[in-house]
Amino acid sequence: NAGVTQTPKFQVLKTGQSMTLQCAQDMNHNSMYWYRQDPGMGLRLIYYSASEGTTDKGEVPNGYNVSRLNKREFSLRLESAAPSQTSVYFCASRGTGRGETQYFGPGTRLLVL
Amino acid sequence: SQQGEEDPQALSIQEGENATMNCSYKTSINNLQWYRQNSGRGLVHLILIRSNEREKHSGRLRVTLDTSKKSSSLLITASRAADTASYFCATGPIGAGGTSYGKLTFGQGTILTVHP
Repeated sequence: NAGVTQTPKFQVLKTGQSMTLQCAQDMNHNSMYWYRQDPGMGLRLIYYSASEGTTDKGEVPNGYNVSRLNKREFSLRLESAAPSQTSVYFCASRGTGRGETQYFGPGTRLLVL
Repeated sequence: SQQGEEDPQALSIQEGENATMNCSYKTSINNLQWYRQNSGRGLVHLILIRSNEREKHSGRLRVTLDTSKKSSSLLITASRAADTASYFCATGPIGAGGTSYGKLTFGQGTILTVHP
């Protein structure tokens, strides 16, 4: 099993460009999450999907949209990138039940010029 | 806003010494988890402690939780150079009717450096 995979690993954008970050998990998990991590900071939740067909805002959703394409895939879209969105983006998934741990992907490093 | 605050921000020790990291949080929780992040990598889960537990062990890791003080500590015994990483605490909230959907709030982390 690959666990949680993310593409691309690294991306450079110009201000105003759009892009979609892809995430997939092969653990049959119901819940999936998108976080951003800025230098010297912990992770902040952008959006999450408790189950297929549902999505909800996290702590810092502005400037992002998400799609839960199916149970395996959860994508994050930046419609008009801004320098403030320069960050490392992590996708995670979680199995059923309360309090279970999250499994993280390797991250996507995004630089917006 | 960050739920957890970790102390110290950075810790430098010699191999074989013990490392203790502390985490404080603000609101009632269902559970508290510790994660490790090696440089440039994703987070890896280390241990979870539930709100009705006071202490938990896993290998060289010992976690304590004091809900009255809203604090937790992670002890790594007999540290190794391979333990060099950032360590984050994350709190799982108590949701209405149990529907927190596993959302976690992360602290800012402690950078641990273990010198050979």
